[in-house]
Amino acid sequence: DPKIIQKPKYLVAVTGSEKILICEQYLGHNAMYWYRQSAKKPLEFMFSYSYQKLMDNQTASSRFQPQSSKKNHLDLQITALKPDDSATYFCASSQDWDWGDAEQFFGPGTRLTVL
Amino acid sequence: GQQVKQSSPSLTVQEGGISILNCDYENDMFDYFAWYKKYPDNSPTLLISVRSNVDKREDGRLTVFLNKSGKHFSLHITASQPEDTAVYLCAAGDANYNVLYFGSGTKLTVEP
Repeated sequence: DPKIIQKPKYLVAVTGSEKILICEQYLGHNAMYWYRQSAKKPLEFMFSYSYQKLMDNQTASSRFQPQSSKKNHLDLQITALKPDDSATYFCASSQDWDWGDAEQFFGPGTRLTVL
Repeated sequence: GQQVKQSSPSLTVQEGGISILNCDYENDMFDYFAWYKKYPDNSPTLLISVRSNVDKREDGRLTVFLNKSGKHFSLHITASQPEDTAVYLCAAGDANYNVLYFGSGTKLTVEP
């Protein structure tokens, strides 16, 4: 059974619309993250959460808003979508938000295309 | 600029040979270093990691070498197999922030 679920796997949106990317982890982890990989660019850190609290935000745009309704959920709301937002968005988790157990497990990703 | 760099976008090795993948980083505060394996349309999977207090770690056919003074780390895969064919991502981070910075990846091809 998959331990980190991301929904949907593929998503097509029109410019200016709003979408929510879903992430749920069943590893019992306390820290969750969002990363983004655009075409021909490295995987890029966006947000980290620990116990549902924002720890770090390296996303310049406020159009990206994480939402954590439960400890094992970290959704990503993206508003006013632009073609440059097209990327694969990966959710990840780790046991805790410190380096004692730093291994981050990644979900399968949501591939977003903005037309 | 990019914090973590993999200068070789691709590497081809013969089956049974040693694959050596390299990674350079800029921030000397980084103290966590990792290698991930990624297949197309799949998520990265952690292979091996080290903290800055060691300069080498082995796990089966995998060895990570860390050169802190040179801000460089590498992954050696011995007895390379066709199943090792994938994209390898290096990542590094600062323990204070739990943010991983990734390289752009090296596509390893192991030819039979």
